[in-house]
Amino acid sequence: DQQVKQNSPSLSVQEGRISILNCDYTNSMFDYFLWYKKYPAEGPTFLISISSIKDKNEDGRFTVFLNKSAKHLSLHIVPSQPGDSAVYFCAASGGAQKLVFGQGTRLTINP
Amino acid sequence: DAGITQSPRYKITETGRQVTLMCHQTWSHSYMFWYRQDLGHGLRLIYYSAAADITDKGEVPDGYVVSRSKTENFPLTLESATRSQTSVYFCASVQGGSGEQYFGPGTRLTVT
Repeated sequence: DQQVKQNSPSLSVQEGRISILNCDYTNSMFDYFLWYKKYPAEGPTFLISISSIKDKNEDGRFTVFLNKSAKHLSLHIVPSQPGDSAVYFCAASGGAQKLVFGQGTRLTINP
Repeated sequence: DAGITQSPRYKITETGRQVTLMCHQTWSHSYMFWYRQDLGHGLRLIYYSAAADITDKGEVPDGYVVSRSKTENFPLTLESATRSQTSVYFCASVQGGSGEQYFGPGTRLTVT
């Protein structure tokens, strides 16, 4: 059973426009959510996180929204830049420092 | 170099062979993790360790063994490699109190 799901394997966005990546989860015990970015042949790098006590967290061009009732979070990137082309993983934590990851979404920013 | 390193970066081995993947971190983080990345599955936790000499199974532990005699090292051993263990393996660490795990560059393992 996939506790964290990213239903879009890929997304293509025009440079300068908004990129919206989505993630759903099933476990109501998750209380901390993260987004990671991964370039080819590199390890994932932390991008932004949100605690379950918040519904929004912003860091520069990146904003994460959390809808607890829908068990849904999204990552908004505005404006999208070519360097944002990567695979994005959402992850959730319910304690013990363990993370459960989604399948990933490959974002391509077109010039 | 400071950070988290993995070796080797690439490895080809034959079915049935034992292979060990190394992970080393210089931050003295308490927690360390091993994940495998496969298409369609994202990152799945194999084993993790909360401190030296404390390890526990993750989601997909079968066929793997870990040890942690020193805080900075967390080797992963495939005792008898199978083709299904062909994957990219990532090691990660975190101090604790924060969910932001730091990942190594990965080891691409091919079992023929």
